[in-house]
Amino acid sequence: NAGVTQTPKFRILKIGQSMTLQCTQDMNHNYMYWYRQDPGMGLKLIYYSVGAGITDKGEVPNGYNVSRSTTEDFPLRLELAAPSQTSVYFCASSKDGWSKDGYTFGSGTRLTVV
Amino acid sequence: GQQLNQSPQSMFIQEGEDVSMNCTSSSIFNTWLWYKQDPGEGPVLLIALYKAGELTSNGRLTAQFGITRKDSFLNISASIPSDVGIYFCAGQRQGGSEKLVFGKGTKLTVNP
Repeated sequence: NAGVTQTPKFRILKIGQSMTLQCTQDMNHNYMYWYRQDPGMGLKLIYYSVGAGITDKGEVPNGYNVSRSTTEDFPLRLELAAPSQTSVYFCASSKDGWSKDGYTFGSGTRLTVV
Repeated sequence: GQQLNQSPQSMFIQEGEDVSMNCTSSSIFNTWLWYKQDPGEGPVLLIALYKAGELTSNGRLTAQFGITRKDSFLNISASIPSDVGIYFCAGQRQGGSEKLVFGKGTKLTVNP
């Protein structure tokens, strides 16, 4: 089992560029999440999805978009990159909303916007 | 949004020392989780707690679900260099629709 796989691991973007952060899981989990982690600030939820075709905003959704066309994939889109989006992004998944086994996290994408 | 107060923010200890960290909330939680994040990696679940007063161990790690359901503690005994990382607490108020709420993390440095 690969678990949660994120690509790319690192990326540098120029202001105004766009990119998609990829996330895929092979555990047949229904729920998927995108977090950003800034130094000393913990994990902030950007978007989440409770199943294919269903997405909802988290705490900090502005500047991002998501889609969930399949159970396995949950890409995060940045349309007009801004320096404030420099961060480490984590994708996570869980079987359902009940956290008996917690969330399984990917290894992250480190994004720098210059 | 909902916040968990995690302390301390950082700790610098010598190898072999014991470590304690805690998480508090103004709200009641039904589940408490503790994660560890190694440098350059995503968080990994260490211990999960489901009942008030529950005490659970995982090797040198021991975590407790506070009796008031508003706090949780993590202890690491006889620290070793590979304990270095950021430790996060997370709580869930109820199953199903409630998402995990994370603390801001405790950064642990262990000097050999």
